[in-house]
Amino acid sequence: ETGVTQTPRHLVMGMTNKKSLKCEQHLGHNAMYWYKQSAKKPLELMFVYNFKEQTENNSVPSRFSPECPNSSHLFLHLHTLQPEDSALYLCASSQVSGNQPQHFGDGTRLSIL
Amino acid sequence: GQQVMQIPQYQHVQEGEDFTTYCNSSTTLSNIQWYKQRPGGHPVFLIQLVKSGEVKKQKRLTFQFGEAKKNSSLHITATQTTDVGTYFCAGPGTSYDKVIFGPGTSLSVIP
Repeated sequence: ETGVTQTPRHLVMGMTNKKSLKCEQHLGHNAMYWYKQSAKKPLELMFVYNFKEQTENNSVPSRFSPECPNSSHLFLHLHTLQPEDSALYLCASSQVSGNQPQHFGDGTRLSIL
Repeated sequence: GQQVMQIPQYQHVQEGEDFTTYCNSSTTLSNIQWYKQRPGGHPVFLIQLVKSGEVKKQKRLTFQFGEAKKNSSLHITATQTTDVGTYFCAGPGTSYDKVIFGPGTSLSVIP
C-alpha cells in the first residue's frame, strides 16, 4: 500500500477511443504529478499540479488532457492516442511541488492498438 | 537544457559483490534524491541529500553528494538478490515544480 492508488492497472485501447486514468492519494499531499515511463527511456514528467492548479505542462501533446478536481484526485483523459503512447503511466504525489520526495502509484500499463 | 545522467546503464554482479552507480548533473543541484524501482513495480523514494559532500547510510547502502553538488553516488555493499531493480537519481529542474530523473541504472544480482 503506497498511499497513491491508480486505476485501471492495465488498459488496452484503440487509437480512436477515449479513456481516462485515475489517481487518488491518501497522504494529505498538495502536489500531484503524471509521468510517462517507456521502455529504455528516462521517466518523463508530463504534468504537475500544486494545490489543484496546473503549474507544469512539459510540452505534452493535447491528446493527453489532465484534470485535478481537488488535491487528492488527478485524472488523465486520453483521446486519439498513437501507438508510441503505449507506456506505463505513473502518478505521484508530494507534500508540495518542487524538491519534496515523491510517492508513486503502481501505474497504469497502457497499450494502444 | 538541464540533464541528469547516470552510469552505468546496466550492471550485473555476483551476489555478495559491491555495486556503485554514479549520477551527474549538467548544473549545480540544490539537492539530489534517489529512488529504487523493482521489476514490475513503481519508483520508491530512498533518500534525499542536501549538503555539499554529504554522506548518508542506510544499512548496506551509502549515498554521497559531491562537493560541487553536481554529482552523486549510490554504493551497495555485499549485494543481495533483494537489491535487484533500477536505481534513479533525481534533481530539481530549472523551474521550481520540476524534478528531473536520470535514466537509471539497472542492477541484476546473480545468486
